[in-house]
Amino acid sequence: EDKVVQSPLSLVVHEGDTVTLNCSYEVTNFRSLLWYKQEKKAPTFLFMLTSSGIEKKSGRLSSILDKKELSSILNITATQTGDSAIYLCAVEGGTSYGKLTFGQGTILTVHP
Amino acid sequence: NAGVTQTPKFRVLKTGQSMTLLCAQDMNHEYMYWYRQDPGMGLRLIHYSVGEGTTAKGEVPDGYNVSRLKKQNFLLGLESAAPSQTSVYFCASSRGGTQYFGPGTRLLVL
Repeated sequence: EDKVVQSPLSLVVHEGDTVTLNCSYEVTNFRSLLWYKQEKKAPTFLFMLTSSGIEKKSGRLSSILDKKELSSILNITATQTGDSAIYLCAVEGGTSYGKLTFGQGTILTVHP
Repeated sequence: NAGVTQTPKFRVLKTGQSMTLLCAQDMNHEYMYWYRQDPGMGLRLIHYSVGEGTTAKGEVPDGYNVSRLKKQNFLLGLESAAPSQTSVYFCASSRGGTQYFGPGTRLLVL
């Protein structure tokens, strides 16, 4: 059974801090790892990492895939209150193409 | 483009009642999914579909049925609702890989 574990489960920081969120996975036939941000409603896509694209960056957010350690990190620098959200990690693999297995999520709270 | 839409947004049911949640997408995606989200448990896959007329079970399929009669629609049915089905339900669609989510349906079963 595919498994995705995120840590920490929750994190409270102040504006300007840098945070690192972790995601580890066990999946057969790994194809990709995705990060999503969920504020009040639907998760919105942040990054997709694959064997051919192990590092992504967009503004203050960046993510790295470590295929040897079966894990990924999501870094947010100079955090803002608008970064407060649940961050979800998901992995695509196994025999069912297109099917994602999600972790529990990390709740990030950024105080002014 | 509306993307992925879900109806209704919120519903209260009594135990034993039935209902259908509708998901629609206008992106011509082959794959569609139904998830439920409960506190501390992330998103858990209920059922999914890899194309019109096909469906498959996900991680937590018991108590739910689905149908994909048209490519753009994916219906989730609860035949006899139970309090354990109180949750937020999300629909998503994709071509494979990145999934795009609807706004969610909040369901309360009393």
